Amino acid sequence: SQQGEEDPQALSIQEGENATMNCSYKTSINNLQWYRQNSGRGLVHLILIRSNEREKHSGRLRVTLDTSKKSSSLLITASRAADTASYFCATDPGAQKLVFGQGTRLTINP
Amino acid sequence: GAVVSQHPSRVICKSGTSVKIECRSLDFQATTMFWYRQFPKQSLMLMATSNEGSKATYEQGVEKDKFLINHASLTLSTLTVTSAHPEDSSFYICSARDFRGTRLAGGRRSDTQYFGPGTRLTVL
Repeated sequence: SQQGEEDPQALSIQEGENATMNCSYKTSINNLQWYRQNSGRGLVHLILIRSNEREKHSGRLRVTLDTSKKSSSLLITASRAADTASYFCATDPGAQKLVFGQGTRLTINP
Repeated sequence: GAVVSQHPSRVICKSGTSVKIECRSLDFQATTMFWYRQFPKQSLMLMATSNEGSKATYEQGVEKDKFLINHASLTLSTLTVTSAHPEDSSFYICSARDFRGTRLAGGRRSDTQYFGPGTRLTVL
């Protein structure tokens, strides 16, 4: 399977703490994207990082990409209860389609 | 941002019946749409790529005769689950991507897929 792996599978932290999720993939990519999914809902696009970029920021989100290790991380700083969701990385290997990781279920405890 | 809608949001049907799910891009022309299936607590699995005006491309293991895809216009793709069985119960999500109307600075195209809210299918 081309699917990547995310780690951890589940993460529970206190509100205000930082949350870090990791994603590894198997093939070369054009870009890597992170999505959020609230329970039973569709996906919300968070951030896209291209293969020639190493780090990208968007608000409280920070994404890194290491193409030599085929890995990426998503950091959410100063977490809030509303950040509770599942987070998926998805890679674009250049065939128009996205390959999703297994996801990390993040729970922010008030 | 771009909006993609799905209809219905939830459907319950009897085993053996067919169910049609619509995916619409509301504010852009989607030359390519994708259909995913997601089982509880699992990730999204791509089922097929739908290109406007041509036949869909199915992923390995997905039965094209069971999951009929039609992309007759630049804003609408439909997925029909034929002769549905309980094991077809799942969350079906579409996404849309525009390769033509979203040229960015320097001639780059938008790489973002916009996802619909999903359709929960329950087959009794």
